[in-house]
Amino acid sequence: DGGITQSPKYLFRKEGQNVTLSCEQNLNHDAMYWYRQDPGQGLRLIYYSQIVNDFQKGDIAEGYSVSREKKESFPLTVTSAQKNPTAFYLCASSIPAGGADTQYFGPGTRLTVL
Amino acid sequence: QKEVEQDPGPLSVPEGAIVSLNCTYSNSAFQYFMWYRQYSRKGPELLMYTYSSGNKEDGRFTAQVDKSSKYISLFIRDSQPSDSATYLCAMSARSSNTGKLIFGQGTTLQVKP
Repeated sequence: DGGITQSPKYLFRKEGQNVTLSCEQNLNHDAMYWYRQDPGQGLRLIYYSQIVNDFQKGDIAEGYSVSREKKESFPLTVTSAQKNPTAFYLCASSIPAGGADTQYFGPGTRLTVL
Repeated sequence: QKEVEQDPGPLSVPEGAIVSLNCTYSNSAFQYFMWYRQYSRKGPELLMYTYSSGNKEDGRFTAQVDKSSKYISLFIRDSQPSDSATYLCAMSARSSNTGKLIFGQGTTLQVKP
């Protein structure tokens, strides 16, 4: 089955720790995205990548880092510099469809700071 | 002012009702409009995709775009308890490789049996 997988489903972080969220897709999509979702705020773009070995900052990139070494994988690291990391993190991928990039989402990772 | 405004609700309706969900936006360059459905603790799934103005129908769902008013709607006919979810509108300005979408806050819908 084609799709996007994210792991782990739940993640707990202690103050001062870096943690890495995994995102893998087997849809052969070129573009991948990371969003953060907080209650009442919708989805906010953290980073996106249009091609392997290239990525751009989104609207709230501070305290986060990414890599794109393979087309299928786009891991997100939440660093200790991110002061309020507790949120639901969503990974998405896209291929242009009908003239616009339709994004498909993974199941999400819920990160909680202890 | 946010680029995309969406009433967060919650919206509660009886089973079988017609539901109307709406978003307004300020950027006249938006051309591509999408509706996503998100069940609790799950990732959003694409429901409807519309280009420019007009209507698009898919089963019980109809998406409507009025670019002159900068207003989009999603109608759900014969609503079912399984439609209970958060509905997110999303839009983009161009069909380039950036693929950047702007999302509304989401409207939480509850359909009561």
